[in-house]
Amino acid sequence: KAGVTQTPRYLIKTRGQQVTLSCSPISGHRSVSWYQQTPGQGLQFLFEYFSETQRNKGNFPGRFSGRQFSNSRSEMNVSTLELGDSALYLCASSLLSGYEQYFGPGTRLTVT
Amino acid sequence: EDQVTQSPEALRLQEGESSSLNCSYTVSGLRGLFWYRQDPGKGPEFLFTLYSAGEEKEKERLKATLTKKESFLHITAPKPEDSATYLCAVQAMSGGTSYGKLTFGQGTILTVHP
Repeated sequence: KAGVTQTPRYLIKTRGQQVTLSCSPISGHRSVSWYQQTPGQGLQFLFEYFSETQRNKGNFPGRFSGRQFSNSRSEMNVSTLELGDSALYLCASSLLSGYEQYFGPGTRLTVT
Repeated sequence: EDQVTQSPEALRLQEGESSSLNCSYTVSGLRGLFWYRQDPGKGPEFLFTLYSAGEEKEKERLKATLTKKESFLHITAPKPEDSATYLCAVQAMSGGTSYGKLTFGQGTILTVHP
């Protein structure tokens, strides 16, 4: 069974721009969660989507948003990028909300 | 607020030298405690889920245990390929409903020398 895929794997953006990251969950999985990983803060929860609805949101500004499509694929968007947004963005899928999560390889975002 | 603390931050072992990693947690209502392994430049790899105190799970050289306040990841006779960052995370119940949010500890960086 194919794992979680994320595109693109690497991204370089300029401060003030916006970016969209994509995540395809494991086939049959309906819940997708997003996390930000930085050396200083570790892994921090951004939001979770289940059946196209946002179920839970972490303590991040409104510049961070996401959505989920009917095929369970998910996208997250970051607007007005700041230098501090440079991080590894990880997507995780689970069969249902609250079950064990399987992570993708991540998207490495660098903001200059 | 849910909190997870892992110790030690880093651990160096000789091949074959068994040891344990600790994960202390505070959570309003525990739905599950998860262990992951993360290699450099990769996403976390799922290892175990523990749901209740007294529960134990094993996989090859790894054994995870859970009490009401902490979890241990025991590594028996480690090999160099066990070198990685080991992450612990908790998932809380809220109003009888569990959600997808995982709260992670900072991780333990394990290095096993041949």
